[in-house]
Amino acid sequence: AQSVTQLDSQVPVFEEAPVELRCNYSSSVSVYLFWYVQYPNQGLQLLLKYLSGSTLVESINGFEAEFNKSQTSFHLRKPSVHISDTAEYFCAVSVSGGFKTIFGAGTRLFVKA
Amino acid sequence: NAGVTQTPKFQVLKTGQSMTLQCAQDMNHEYMSWYRQDPGMGLRLIHYSVGAGITDQGEVPNGYNVSRSTTEDFPLRLLSAAPSQTSVYFCASRDGVRGNQPQHFGDGTRLSIL
Repeated sequence: AQSVTQLDSQVPVFEEAPVELRCNYSSSVSVYLFWYVQYPNQGLQLLLKYLSGSTLVESINGFEAEFNKSQTSFHLRKPSVHISDTAEYFCAVSVSGGFKTIFGAGTRLFVKA
Repeated sequence: NAGVTQTPKFQVLKTGQSMTLQCAQDMNHEYMSWYRQDPGMGLRLIHYSVGAGITDQGEVPNGYNVSRSTTEDFPLRLLSAAPSQTSVYFCASRDGVRGNQPQHFGDGTRLSIL
């Protein structure tokens, strides 16, 4: 069965600094990978996804994530964060050919002025 | 664009009471799912459905029932509520039953069991 580990439960960072949120997965077969963002009292929204092809994927608001098959990782990065990026971020994995999507425990990103 | 609609938004129950959490989507998605969100545990899959009349268990199905009589609706039933079921519940749907599409989430139902 697949599983997802988000290595940091909370990440505090100053505004305009770079940030990396780490995600590792385990699966014996091919996977699809997702990052979702959750703002307070809201549902989850898709941030970016890796299905196949280029291992580097980008979102419209400056986030990027790189699929690393050998290290089974899908870390999320942003070169310069804004106060508005404060939220909880979830990494998720689906197994190729499967129905279920499994989520990590989440990482709370706090951006300080 | 309604998307995924969950009702109610908040609910307080007493131990042993029953309740149905409603979920409806207007995107004609075949796949629908229910998750619970607890601090430090992320989202855990309770049940999912790949179409009308077809449901299956997720990671934490005990204490919950589901049915799927139409494509649009996927209600979650608590037959006898327990304090351990205090949580935030999210319903989601996606286009296509396989996992290569992202899910669309509702705004959640915050449930407290006393």
